[in-house]
Amino acid sequence: DADVTQTPRNRITKTGKRIMLECSQTKGHDRMYWYRQDPGLGLRLIYYSFDVKDINKGEISDGYSVSRQAQAKFSLSLESAIPNQTALYFCATSERTSSRSTDTQYFGPGTRLTVL
Amino acid sequence: SQKIEQNSEALNIQEGKTATLTCNYTNYSPAYLQWYRQDPGRGPVFLLLIRENEKEKRKERLKVTFDTTLKQSLFHITASQPADSATYLCALLYNQGGKLIFGQGTELSVKP
Repeated sequence: DADVTQTPRNRITKTGKRIMLECSQTKGHDRMYWYRQDPGLGLRLIYYSFDVKDINKGEISDGYSVSRQAQAKFSLSLESAIPNQTALYFCATSERTSSRSTDTQYFGPGTRLTVL
Repeated sequence: SQKIEQNSEALNIQEGKTATLTCNYTNYSPAYLQWYRQDPGRGPVFLLLIRENEKEKRKERLKVTFDTTLKQSLFHITASQPADSATYLCALLYNQGGKLIFGQGTELSVKP
């Protein structure tokens, strides 16, 4: 877990506020991902980036934006937070080794976000 | 769209028994199927991977099977211990797009 860090670990905010969640990794991986996890819904992909210049929307990107500042850093922003964005957010990385990459993912410890 | 189903009900077993968790999927088979363990409040941790052309994979007390006819993977933990208590997630990777799709997970509780 120490190879992928997330800040903050916990955040309580109010509706309408702008929030940024940050992710850093020391694994040297090209690929980075943002997921949210809600009880009973599993992990859902918000955005992913296969390298610094490649950013793609995931399953549930509405209301979110991302920035890949460097290979090691990938941040997630909520421009105007709303209560249904209350969830556990995870950053993950994976290594692109070949066209047959297995995409095994390494997760950060998570950020618990509460929007009041 | 692709759907993944894992047992939504928690699985409770006695220490020493074998735990078996199920992962079912619809439509076409993935290139790879992965299993992760998640402890409360922590990120998932990769356990095992099985390829579409493999029937079975083992790692210590863990065994994964993959049946593309049934569209199902089974995850076994033999000689289970209370420390195995966690939520287990299956995840599928298709060649197209290169993104993992996760199931909702099954909670396992091993009682002493």
